[in-house]
Amino acid sequence: GQQLNQSPQSMFIQEGEDVSMNCTSSSIFNTWLWYKQDPGEGPVLLIALYKAGELTSNGRLTAQFGITRKDSFLNISASIPSDVGIYFCAGRATSGTYKYIFGTGTRLKVLA
Amino acid sequence: DAGVIQSPRHEVTEMGQEVTLRCKPISGHNSLFWYRQTMMRGLELLIYFNNNVPIDDSGMPEDRFSAKMPNASFSTLKIQPSEPRDSAVYFCASTSQAGTDTQYFGPGTRLTVL
Repeated sequence: GQQLNQSPQSMFIQEGEDVSMNCTSSSIFNTWLWYKQDPGEGPVLLIALYKAGELTSNGRLTAQFGITRKDSFLNISASIPSDVGIYFCAGRATSGTYKYIFGTGTRLKVLA
Repeated sequence: DAGVIQSPRHEVTEMGQEVTLRCKPISGHNSLFWYRQTMMRGLELLIYFNNNVPIDDSGMPEDRFSAKMPNASFSTLKIQPSEPRDSAVYFCASTSQAGTDTQYFGPGTRLTVL
């Protein structure tokens, strides 16, 4: 199936550092979602974005809907060890449908 | 309130055997999704039910895969016969309204076909 490109694929960071990751698509989307998946668990929704240029925060997490509508960004400020996991983006081209395309994931490892 | 419940959490079987994965959605949710996650292909939607009715099964890989939802609180995904390439983590997710964003995922079933 079609996938979104996420980068980086993985990253090691020191506790306290800020983290940035992005997701790009060849198609225009009208909804972007960001999920976090812990080892052995299912994905959990972090942030949902619905408008180009929208900037939304959830605690230390901030996500943006790219102006071109073909990309989205997730930032984590002051990372802590429990931020470790895999972060997925998901995009939807048509509102009101359930069909999301998922990104390839960014694996985050935080060094204490 | 309990989340989405999946069983078994791990399944190891031999090629050719029948495999049945089970899911209990969150009470009151009327939409249910089955996904498959692999390293190569990421997270893929297999089939989607709304009010116990299969709406879209275009993601089901082939005829060896089938899914049922006999009632609002139970769904199964069956693979018969299983093949090594079916090895993956299978997730069930539910939501209270089709088209909403907050799909609640279960913990997944890790399937290994030898």
